[in-house]
Amino acid sequence: EDQVTQSPEALRLQEGESSSLNCSYTVSGLRGLFWYRQDPGKGPEFLFTLYSAGEEKEKERLKATLTKKESFLHITAPKPEDSATYLCAVGENFGNEKLTFGTGTRLTIIP
Amino acid sequence: EPEVTQTPSHQVTQMGQEVILRCVPISNHLYFYWYRQILGQKVEFLVSFYNNEISEKSEIFDDQFSVERPDGSNFTLKIRSTKLEDSAMYFCASMGQPNSPLHFGNGTRLTVT
Repeated sequence: EDQVTQSPEALRLQEGESSSLNCSYTVSGLRGLFWYRQDPGKGPEFLFTLYSAGEEKEKERLKATLTKKESFLHITAPKPEDSATYLCAVGENFGNEKLTFGTGTRLTIIP
Repeated sequence: EPEVTQTPSHQVTQMGQEVILRCVPISNHLYFYWYRQILGQKVEFLVSFYNNEISEKSEIFDDQFSVERPDGSNFTLKIRSTKLEDSAMYFCASMGQPNSPLHFGNGTRLTVT
């Protein structure tokens, strides 16, 4: 069974203070690792897909990286509008399109 | 940008009643999903739907649940006889082609009293 573990559960940062969120995963065959952002009362909003170890993707202040066992979401010089819950999800094997989500990291950026 | 839309945003129902949650996926997408999120818990897979049939379902998706694509634009989730533990946020998602990201709607909050 797929396992996705995210840490920390919650993180409070000062505006401009960079940090990283972790997603550890166990799957029999990784189809892709997905990062989503979720604001309160909203659905997950797609950020990145990573397919193979060593891959990196960037978008504004966010950069996602992938190894064979974990992924990191690096946040550089965050702003208050980056406050949200960040979800990691894995897709296992081609032909099986469901995603297994972690519990998320609730990020708060203090002005 | 195209988006997945869900209605209603909030549904309150009494235990034992039937509810239908509605979704309009992104228009050229072929794969459709329902997920749910109980308050404070992780987003959980319920069912996937492709080519007018269920392709996979979770243990949660028992005989009380059904899905339907009644026309070319809508995708529905029906719960026949709701239970208190069905209270959750239900998200619809769609995907254009295999191995591309799922795009989620903003959910329907279902409250069973």
